[in-house]
Amino acid sequence: GDSVTQTEGQVALSEEDFLTIHCNYSASGYPTLFWYVQYPGEGPQLLFRASRDKEKGSSRGFEATYDKGTTSFHLRKASVQESDSAVYYCASYSGGSNYKLTFGKGTLLTVTP
Amino acid sequence: EAAVTQSPRNKVAVTGGKVTLSCNQTNNHNNMYWYRQDTGHGLRLIHYSYGAGSTEKGDIPDGYKASRPSQENFSLILELATPSQTSVYFCASGDSANSDYTFGSGTRLLVI
Repeated sequence: GDSVTQTEGQVALSEEDFLTIHCNYSASGYPTLFWYVQYPGEGPQLLFRASRDKEKGSSRGFEATYDKGTTSFHLRKASVQESDSAVYYCASYSGGSNYKLTFGKGTLLTVTP
Repeated sequence: EAAVTQSPRNKVAVTGGKVTLSCNQTNNHNNMYWYRQDTGHGLRLIHYSYGAGSTEKGDIPDGYKASRPSQENFSLILELATPSQTSVYFCASGDSANSDYTFGSGTRLLVI
């Protein structure tokens, strides 16, 4: 089955820093890839998704590009704000009759002013 | 607005007691899921369902049962709660046709 590996643990940045959270996947074919964000006290919510090689997903200043060659979907943001502090999950879905997303373990982003 | 609603938001239970967590979705999705979230483990799938009357085991089903009496409702049942089941539980609904996967706001369960 699918597996997703992302930057583990916590990433601590200051406001206006550049953010990269790495995500690599292992799956057959062309899985759909997702980034979810989870703010304190809430459930994960979709940030964006991509389903084709070289497709860029983006939302709220965050972006990631589907790279079939390196099996990656790294999350980036040019200038983070304190309000971006949250847990970020990368996920994949390879299709088939069982619609279940495979999630990475999550990365806690902490941004200090 | 379509949504996934969980109840209760917080629950304290005694060891050995029965606990039922409820989930309702208005997305008209066929698929529903129960996860637990623990530090260091991320989201782990407990049970899921393809439609009314069906339940399937996820990755960590031991100690949990599930019930899907209708398209809209999916319950997670802890027949004999244990302190190791203290966690935050999330319900989700999903539809592969539009790659939709929507989570509820979670239930925080403390078993003492």
